[in-house]
Amino acid sequence: AQTVTQSQPEMSVQEAETVTLSCTYDTSESNYYLFWYKQPPSRQMILVIRQEAYKQQNATENRFSVNFQKAAKSFSLKISDSQLGDTAMYFCASGGQGAQKLVFGQGTRLTINP
Amino acid sequence: DTGVSQNPRHKITKRGQNVTFRCDPISEHNRLYWYRQTLGQGPEFLTYFQNEAQLEKSRLLSDRFSAERPKGSFSTLEIQRTEQGDSAMYLCASSYPGGRVEETQYFGPGTRLLVL
Repeated sequence: AQTVTQSQPEMSVQEAETVTLSCTYDTSESNYYLFWYKQPPSRQMILVIRQEAYKQQNATENRFSVNFQKAAKSFSLKISDSQLGDTAMYFCASGGQGAQKLVFGQGTRLTINP
Repeated sequence: DTGVSQNPRHKITKRGQNVTFRCDPISEHNRLYWYRQTLGQGPEFLTYFQNEAQLEKSRLLSDRFSAERPKGSFSTLEIQRTEQGDSAMYLCASSYPGGRVEETQYFGPGTRLLVL
């Protein structure tokens, strides 16, 4: 069974600061994917970044990057130069290869203050 | 590409009534997923279709829940004899095997159900 744990229920930073959201996971899959999704208040969930577990290089998407530590089963998200629009719930999720279901963490509520 | 759409966006019903939700996936996506999200929690998997075949169902999907995808395009999720515990956001997602971002699921806006 897969499990995903986000240990930070809430975080708050000032605009332009860098913030790191933590995620740990456990899976029995040999090939799997990890995701960070963003869910703004009353809006739909959108993909922030994804990481294929077989790739050693950490994924980056503009201001968003991950620190993927496969042995430690850790998958943290770093947001650089945070913006007000980054305020949202952030969910870490894992999925096996081959159209398998996603397993989500409990989420981290991130607030960017002006 | 219009994204995943869901209707209705909100539904209020009385306990014991039946409700049906619809999901239209991204047009070329042959995989479709249903999740349930309660307040302050992450989504939980309910069921998954590849084309018209329902390939996996969660234990969360009691016999009061039924999902269909008759022509491999849109899907419906029906809840019979609703209970207050069914109040949640029901999310639909779709994906396309072999796409540029294979295995990535794209989510719709959800249907928020309130059972009184």
